[in-house]
Amino acid sequence: DTGVSQDPRHKITKRGQNVTFRCDPISEHNRLYWYRQTLGQGPEFLTYFQNEAQLEKSRLLSDRFSAERPKGSFSTLEIQRTEQGDSAMYLCASSAGRLEIATQYFGPGTRLTVL
Amino acid sequence: TQLLEQSPQFLSIQEGENLTVYCNSSSVFSSLQWYRQEPGEGPVLLVTVVTGGEVKKLKRLTFQFGDARKDSSLHITAAQPGDTGLYLCAGARPRGAQKLVFGQGTRLTINP
Repeated sequence: DTGVSQDPRHKITKRGQNVTFRCDPISEHNRLYWYRQTLGQGPEFLTYFQNEAQLEKSRLLSDRFSAERPKGSFSTLEIQRTEQGDSAMYLCASSAGRLEIATQYFGPGTRLTVL
Repeated sequence: TQLLEQSPQFLSIQEGENLTVYCNSSSVFSSLQWYRQEPGEGPVLLVTVVTGGEVKKLKRLTFQFGDARKDSSLHITAAQPGDTGLYLCAGARPRGAQKLVFGQGTRLTINP
């Protein structure tokens, strides 16, 4: 069973450092989403790819954040000059099929701690 | 802006009792998904409901989508300690990317 995978599972970094996370979606899923979840809250949408095209970005995604999906398969999320407020769980999800009813399947997440 | 209000936020009951978790909004959703999340893990899908008025059953769990597709409920019959966890409802907005809007979650504890 090849579900959504994310790497690394945990990342501890110092403020000001850059970090990059990777997401491998379910094979053949053309849509990929990134969400962020802080303690005690539900996940919040960050950005969305259909194939390799980044079609939507949340206002939560500041200029320090960039996401790519170069070949329409895996995706990376980079945070530059990390701040303590970036500490959160970063979740990736993928989906396929009819857009309006497509279920999103989530990966295990990457827990980021910025010291 | 919290578009989905989930209640209660915390619930602690005894094994064998029944419970209902509610997910309410003033917005219409094209679909609504329920997830369960364990600490340190990503949300795991329980069910997707699409049609207004739809009812889906998953063993002791019953999910209902409101007629107007603005609200949903999760009912658990004869709760067991293994049901303990964080339950999240998430609605897909009708236009664009179908990004999910999540409720705050219900942290459920079933005591033996």
